[in-house]
Amino acid sequence: AQSVTQLDSHVSVSEGTPVLLRCNYSSSYSPSLFWYVQHPNKGLQLLLKYTSAATLVKGINGFEAEFKKSETSFHLTKPSAHMSDAAEYFCVVSDIQTGNTGNQFYFGTGTSLTVIP
Amino acid sequence: DSGVTQTPKHLITATGQRVTLRCSPRSGDLSVYWYQQSLDQGLQFLIQYYNGEERAKGNILERFSAQQFPDLHSELNLSSLELGDSALYFCASSVAGQINQPQHFGDGTRLSIL
Repeated sequence: AQSVTQLDSHVSVSEGTPVLLRCNYSSSYSPSLFWYVQHPNKGLQLLLKYTSAATLVKGINGFEAEFKKSETSFHLTKPSAHMSDAAEYFCVVSDIQTGNTGNQFYFGTGTSLTVIP
Repeated sequence: DSGVTQTPKHLITATGQRVTLRCSPRSGDLSVYWYQQSLDQGLQFLIQYYNGEERAKGNILERFSAQQFPDLHSELNLSSLELGDSALYFCASSVAGQINQPQHFGDGTRLSIL
């Protein structure tokens, strides 16, 4: 069965320090993986996606994520946090539904990032 | 701009009432998904439609229903509303059948039950 685990519900970093948001997944096939960001009272915005090309994926706003199949992980990183990065982050897996009726999306429970000035 | 349009942005109503939330997907997207987001439950998948047909169901209450029309827009109907239905309701769309294509989310409808 497919699932997504975001290992930290809350992460707090100081402005200018690195960010690491952890995500592990399970999938029966070769999934696609995504990270979304949600600012307060806003919709979810796509940060980046992994689709079986390069394992290191670069996204918007300086974020990147590395797909590690052996560890079934897709952690999100940023070298230097900015105040505007404070938001909720969701890791998502897309996988083929049984019966080949299309793909389905599985969401992690989210990680709330706080950036301390 | 994600290309997904949700209306209305805000809705305030009373318990026992019925409301309809509307979603227009991105041009070319055949799949529409509905989600409910509340402080205590987080982001919950409700239901998915593909090209007019129901494709997957999540934690959708029997008081809730949805449909996707021939022009691919979708409506989520919430009836016999309760205080606990107060939440942000998101619609997302995607090019179904391709796992490398992400969902694109609308800005949501904030429903407040008084």
